Amino acid sequence: DTGVSQDPRHKITKRGQNVTFRCDPISEHNRLYWYRQTLGQGPEFLTYFQNEAQLEKSRLLSDRFSAERPKGSFSTLEIQRTEQGDSAMYLCASSLDETEQFFGPGTRLTVL
Amino acid sequence: SQKIEQNSEALNIQEGKTATLTCNYTNYSPAYLQWYRQDPGRGPVFLLLIRENEKEKRKERLKVTFDTTLKQSLFHITASQPADSATYLCAHPSSGYSTLTFGKGTMLLVSP
Repeated sequence: DTGVSQDPRHKITKRGQNVTFRCDPISEHNRLYWYRQTLGQGPEFLTYFQNEAQLEKSRLLSDRFSAERPKGSFSTLEIQRTEQGDSAMYLCASSLDETEQFFGPGTRLTVL
Repeated sequence: SQKIEQNSEALNIQEGKTATLTCNYTNYSPAYLQWYRQDPGRGPVFLLLIRENEKEKRKERLKVTFDTTLKQSLFHITASQPADSATYLCAHPSSGYSTLTFGKGTMLLVSP
């Protein structure tokens, strides 16, 4: 197994555009998480899936953000009408249980 | 709400010395704490987990303590090496234990 992968690694977009990121977790992991990280801060939880069910969403998550995990395998995170404040590193992680999480390399989003 | 605090100032030490990083939390005692390492531009990597009924845990040159009275965890790296230079993140389970809340991290710089 090659670990958690994310695509793309970098995304530059103009304000107002929609973007979509993909995460492929470790294959046997049923839990998948999305986090956002800005410079000098720790990862901030966005949303959590167990298999295909989205079980938790951060109260900070704007309705411009939506995530899916249609078959309980890969997941997508879409941001609509991007704003400059959305610029950050978007991290995906997966796990077998509620303890150790395995993180992907992240997608760095820059909104111009 | 639960807060988790790490010293935001970078820690500079000389090679061979022991690095000690601090993680403090408020309010309720988490069932466990986790420590992650993060290199620039990469996702966090899990290092150690310590449960509330464990006072100390070791892994090679790493040692973590958990003091529920002081509401504090200490992370030690003995015989530090320049390759240990990174940001170290402390995390605890959020309510419901499904996700993690991270501290801001402490940057460690080990000079040769």
